Amino acid sequence: EPEVTQTPSHQVTQMGQEVILRCVPISNHLYFYWYRQILGQKVEFLVSFYNNEISEKSEIFDDQFSVERPDGSNFTLKIRSTKLEDSAMYFCASNTPPSGRNEQFFGPGTRLTVL
Amino acid sequence: KQEVTQIPAALSVPEGENLVLNCSFTDSAIYNLQWFRQDPGKGLTSLLLIQSSQREQTSGRLNASLDKSSGRSTLYIAASQPGDSATYLCAAQLTNFGNEKLTFGTGTRLTIIP
Repeated sequence: EPEVTQTPSHQVTQMGQEVILRCVPISNHLYFYWYRQILGQKVEFLVSFYNNEISEKSEIFDDQFSVERPDGSNFTLKIRSTKLEDSAMYFCASNTPPSGRNEQFFGPGTRLTVL
Repeated sequence: KQEVTQIPAALSVPEGENLVLNCSFTDSAIYNLQWFRQDPGKGLTSLLLIQSSQREQTSGRLNASLDKSSGRSTLYIAASQPGDSATYLCAAQLTNFGNEKLTFGTGTRLTIIP
């Protein structure tokens, strides 16, 4: 069964460093998302992406964040200068064009630890 | 702005009991409601998705219902097992647009006591 994959599973970085989190969505999906979950808190929407453009972003997704689809398979989230409060689990998700169910499929997550 | 609430935050029940988890949402104009399971430190496993045109969905021992008018969804787990111990999250989606985000609740941490 097709699945969303994410790498790395765990990333440790120093405050102020740039990180890139990678996702490979399900191959025929066209809509992509990033969510994050700070430890003990709810899963929060960051950004949605379609047709090489951001469709919607939350107030969390400030100028330190960027997304891109550099090739036909990867979808990346870049944090330019990490802060301690960026420590969280980051989830990538994808789905197909509206097909009735419009179900989003999630990857296993990348745990980001900022020291 | 859609707000999703799950009460209680934690629940412990003896093995074998049936149980109900609750999810409330403020905007009744939702398109679908998805239930997820999350094991500690792990990702999100989709359990059930109910579209607004449906009232319930079943998968094995799980049954999810949706009442849009009251802004509520429930997840019923029959004959609970220790392996059901996890955090259960519900998430609402407002439209059927392909890029519509999910709004998550805070989750209910379920412990099944052997």
